[in-house]
Amino acid sequence: QKEVEQDPGPLSVPEGAIVSLNCTYSNSAFQYFMWYRQYSRKGPELLMYTYSSGNKEDGRFTAQVDKSSKYISLFIRDSQPSDSATYLCAMSSMNSGYSTLTFGKGTMLLVSP
Amino acid sequence: NAGVTQTPKFQVLKTGQSMTLQCAQDMNHEYMSWYRQDPGMGLRLIHYSVGAGITDQGEVPNGYNVSRSTTEDFPLRLLSAAPSQTSVYFCASSLSPYNSPLHFGNGTRLTVT
Repeated sequence: QKEVEQDPGPLSVPEGAIVSLNCTYSNSAFQYFMWYRQYSRKGPELLMYTYSSGNKEDGRFTAQVDKSSKYISLFIRDSQPSDSATYLCAMSSMNSGYSTLTFGKGTMLLVSP
Repeated sequence: NAGVTQTPKFQVLKTGQSMTLQCAQDMNHEYMSWYRQDPGMGLRLIHYSVGAGITDQGEVPNGYNVSRSTTEDFPLRLLSAAPSQTSVYFCASSLSPYNSPLHFGNGTRLTVT
């Protein structure tokens, strides 16, 4: 079993839809949870960063963490064509005294006008 | 403030050639790292550094060398390129090596023939 599982998609939705992106993980040592957005031929950029279980909202984006179920989600409200990208979840744990990130493989999202 | 700058953007090498991928950051970040991104494999950590003069191996270090003589620069050296090293390489930095989110460059696309 991989440490972080993420459905690769593609996930196709119409403009204005609510999008739900998810990751599951197996390592209970993961402490911090992040979502990155990656446009084609660009580097990943940080969208959301959370620590505790619960919800964190930033504009149209909501990150949800359920540590008991080892499940994290990213919700996008009122999706726009400009949201079309690959979304990567990432989780950090301590390794040799420093934290390292483990990434999911990414979900490709396509929002059609 | 340019963030993380990677050069070159594209490179084609023949098997056995060596080259250095350059990475520079102007954010005074303590932590720097190199990832490779392959289809179906996600982002995998090659090497990382927690400060000038300190480096360590990540998940896939074989065939790559790093050094960090300054806070700003973290070059990645391919000693003898192999077709298996065809990939997109991302440099990333963060303020600290403890659960701090990563800032990525826009990548170097490397093809080894």
